Amino acid sequence: AQKVTQAQTEISVVEKEDVTLDCVYETRDTTYYLFWYKQPPSGELVFLIRRNSFDEQNEISGRYSWNFQKSTSSFNFTITASQVVDSAVYFCALSEWETSGSRLTFGEGTQLTVNP
Amino acid sequence: EPEVTQTPSHQVTQMGQEVILRCVPISNHLYFYWYRQILGQKVEFLVSFYNNEISEKSEIFDDQFSVERPDGSNFTLKIRSTKLEDSAMYFCASSEGIGPSTDTQYFGPGTRLTVL
Repeated sequence: AQKVTQAQTEISVVEKEDVTLDCVYETRDTTYYLFWYKQPPSGELVFLIRRNSFDEQNEISGRYSWNFQKSTSSFNFTITASQVVDSAVYFCALSEWETSGSRLTFGEGTQLTVNP
Repeated sequence: EPEVTQTPSHQVTQMGQEVILRCVPISNHLYFYWYRQILGQKVEFLVSFYNNEISEKSEIFDDQFSVERPDGSNFTLKIRSTKLEDSAMYFCASSEGIGPSTDTQYFGPGTRLTVL
């Protein structure tokens, strides 16, 4: 079974629109960590955020915000007022300490295209 | 800002040949990782390494793969006899530790391996 599901394969928006990328995870661990990484067309993986399972506070960083809800096993990512430079593949990832140590399990990724 | 570096950026090899992919993790980091990403697919964990030995490995990391920290700065992934299906982007990552707030993995720019 998929441990991290990013159901949206591709999303296309027009600049300045808000966009939310969905991430649903599955784990039996009580202690786990969730991450978002950005992969721009140049190919590198850029860390965006880390959240632990005990901290359900939402976080905002500039135009980026994250909504972590344990009740629905979701960790969604919203970009406000999107820009062309936001075009990238975005990966959600899970680290389950009790069952699989420090390895990251990635979702399939969501390709975001922001058109001018 | 410190970053993970990888060389070469692109490696082309013939099937059956050995390749060594090189990484220089962030200098004060103690945990090192290799992941791979087949074109258009998600990022997959291969192996983690700490204190000069493998901590975890995935089912992908079979006997044809090996890792080494030959000196105080480099971390290498060797593929002994490459197959066509080894063609992928290989990412090195490092983290300061494995505890809260130190387990974020920072990725290098990747090495694209093409097996002909």
